[in-house]
Order: sequence, then C-alpha cells, then structure tokens
Amino acid sequence: QQQVKQSPQSLIVQKGGIPIINCAYENTAFDYFPWYQQFPGKGPALLIAIRPDVSEKKEGRFTISFNKSAKQFSLHIMDSQPGDSATYFCAASIGGSEKLVFGKGTKLTVNP
Amino acid sequence: EPEVTQTPSHQVTQMGQEVILRCVPISNHLYFYWYRQILGQKVEFLVSFYNNEISEKSEIFDDQFSVERPDGSNFTLKIRSTKLEDSAMYFCASSRQGAVRETQYFGPGTRLLVL
Repeated sequence: QQQVKQSPQSLIVQKGGIPIINCAYENTAFDYFPWYQQFPGKGPALLIAIRPDVSEKKEGRFTISFNKSAKQFSLHIMDSQPGDSATYFCAASIGGSEKLVFGKGTKLTVNP
Repeated sequence: EPEVTQTPSHQVTQMGQEVILRCVPISNHLYFYWYRQILGQKVEFLVSFYNNEISEKSEIFDDQFSVERPDGSNFTLKIRSTKLEDSAMYFCASSRQGAVRETQYFGPGTRLLVL
C-alpha cells in the first residue's frame, strides 16, 4: 500500500513532442504528490507538486494531471526540449510524515 | 544558489567494514534526510532528523545504521558493518521545515559499493 507505481520505465520523444509519465497509488492517505527531475550526476530536484484537492497544476511547460477517483496522476511536458532529457520520479507522502515514497523513475530522452 | 553537498562521491569498501557518508545541508535548513537508491530501483527513504533526534525512520534503517550531526554543518550516515546489499547511491536531503510540504533539496549522492 505504500507503493507508487510509475510507467513507462523509459520514453523517447522528438523535440516538441509531449511526453506523458503516469503514476498510480493505492494508499488514499497520500495527500501530496511531487515530481522530481534528476540529471546524471545530480540529486533529484523538485519540479512541480500537487495536492488532491485540484485536478491540474501547471508550471511553465510542466503540467500535473490528478485523478483522485482513479488514484492516478501524470506529468505532461509540453513542447519538450533536448534539455528536458532526464530521469523523472513521481512521489507521494502522507500528511504529517516527512517520508517521500518514490516511483521507480522514467528515463526521458528528447531527440533534437 | 545554496546546495546540499555530499562526500565522497564514490566509496568502495569491503563487506563488514564501517563507512561514514558525509553531507553538508543547506545552511538555514533544520530538517535532514537520508535516502538510498539501489541500482535500477526506486529512491527509498531511510531516515529524517531534526533537533539532534531521529524524527522518522523506515524499516530499512536498522541497528546497522546511525545518523549524527557532529557539528553545526555536517550530517553523517554511518553503516557499522556493511553488507553486499548496502551497495547503492545514498542521497542526503535537507529542508527548512519538516513535513514534505516544504521542499526537500537533494545532494548529488554518494555511490557506495560493497565488495
């Protein structure tokens, strides 16, 4: 129940494409859903986060869509660029806990 | 921009040896964390630390692990007797406040290889 399932494991798109990364969870106590971006040799960095009281959050070219009833959330990257090539992790946490539960990550490659 | 730093970047050790992984959190942060990532696996929470005490730990964080803030800047993770399965990337993170609504800033990691 403390799992977050992430797919796909890897994704290749052309520049300008819209990669979509999906995550699903079981534990309805999760109430905070961040996405982290990780470049080679660096630690994960917070990209964008959402709470379940909204269905969508947009920051620049990055959008999280959240479906509370389906217990799923996804990351969309509009007009993707080669510089977006990185590993993306979804995560979740329960209110009052400091623990982030991560998905397995998606390696995104954006070809020029 | 302030960053979390970690040393060493890579460490190779023999099974049964003790290792200490070091982290310098962002200076005005009060909450500190260790996560690990076994190759090809997800990032896993180990422990959180505030006010010189462990505030939360996972089932992975058993008696072989300990954390310490030996001075005003460093935060360390000690593995007393390393096992092969401890081979992983270890990430330190820090945040200004506790609870994950406050962004956790991650360091670049220490890759530990236990032979």
